[in-house]
Amino acid sequence: EPEVTQTPSHQVTQMGQEVILRCVPISNHLYFYWYRQILGQKVEFLVSFYNNEISEKSEIFDDQFSVERPDGSNFTLKIRSTKLEDSAMYFCASSRDRGLEAFFGQGTRLTVV
Amino acid sequence: GESVGLHLPTLSVQEGDNSIINCAYSNSASDYFIWYKQESGKGPQFIIDIRSNMDKRQGQRVTVLLNKTVKHLSLQIAATQPGDSAVYFCAEILSGSARQLTFGSGTQLTVLP
Repeated sequence: EPEVTQTPSHQVTQMGQEVILRCVPISNHLYFYWYRQILGQKVEFLVSFYNNEISEKSEIFDDQFSVERPDGSNFTLKIRSTKLEDSAMYFCASSRDRGLEAFFGQGTRLTVV
Repeated sequence: GESVGLHLPTLSVQEGDNSIINCAYSNSASDYFIWYKQESGKGPQFIIDIRSNMDKRQGQRVTVLLNKTVKHLSLQIAATQPGDSAVYFCAEILSGSARQLTFGSGTQLTVLP
C-alpha cells in the first residue's frame, strides 16, 4: 500500500538553526500539505501546495517557513531560524485531488533546544 | 477562531461495546468532513468521510452521522476492540478553500478489557 514517508523521524536542533524536514508524498498525488501538532494539542494546518506553488497558508506559516518541491518526489519544509515554540510533530500529507482524503506520514518530531 | 471542537476529551468503553464519539463544528460553509484516528507516535489515519449532502455513511464497523441543522458530527464504532484505542479527530474542509483540513481537539478512546 502506498504511503507518505517522512525523514527524519526525530530532529533535535539548537534555537536559531535552520532545519529541513523531508517528505515523499504518494507518487500519483498532486496536492501536498504540511501540518503540525504541538504535544497534547490538535493538528494544525500550515500550508498547502499544488502545481509547484503555495495554494494556501495559515497564520503560523510566517516568513521563517518555506516549502519546496525540488524534484519529482520530495516535498520539503524549511524553518530558517528555529524557535523553542517550533517544537512539535510535523506531518506531511498528500491527496490525489482536491476534496479527497489526505494521507498522512508518520511525522517528524522536531525538538528545539 | 476554532471552528471544530469535541464534546468530550476522553471516552472509556468496554471491549465489545459500541462507541460514539461526538464533534461539533461551527462553520456552515464546510462541505466535507473526515474522521481520523491517531495512535501514539503516529500520523492521523483516515477512517471515514462524509460530504455535506449526506447525513449518514457506513464503513466497516464504523458509521458517521452528520446533522447539519445542529452542526454535529458523530463517529460510531461497533463492537469496539482494543486496537481501537487511540485519539479520534474530526476534521472539516471549507467549501472553496484549498482543501486543507481544520481539525478538532481530539477524543481519547480507551477500550477496557
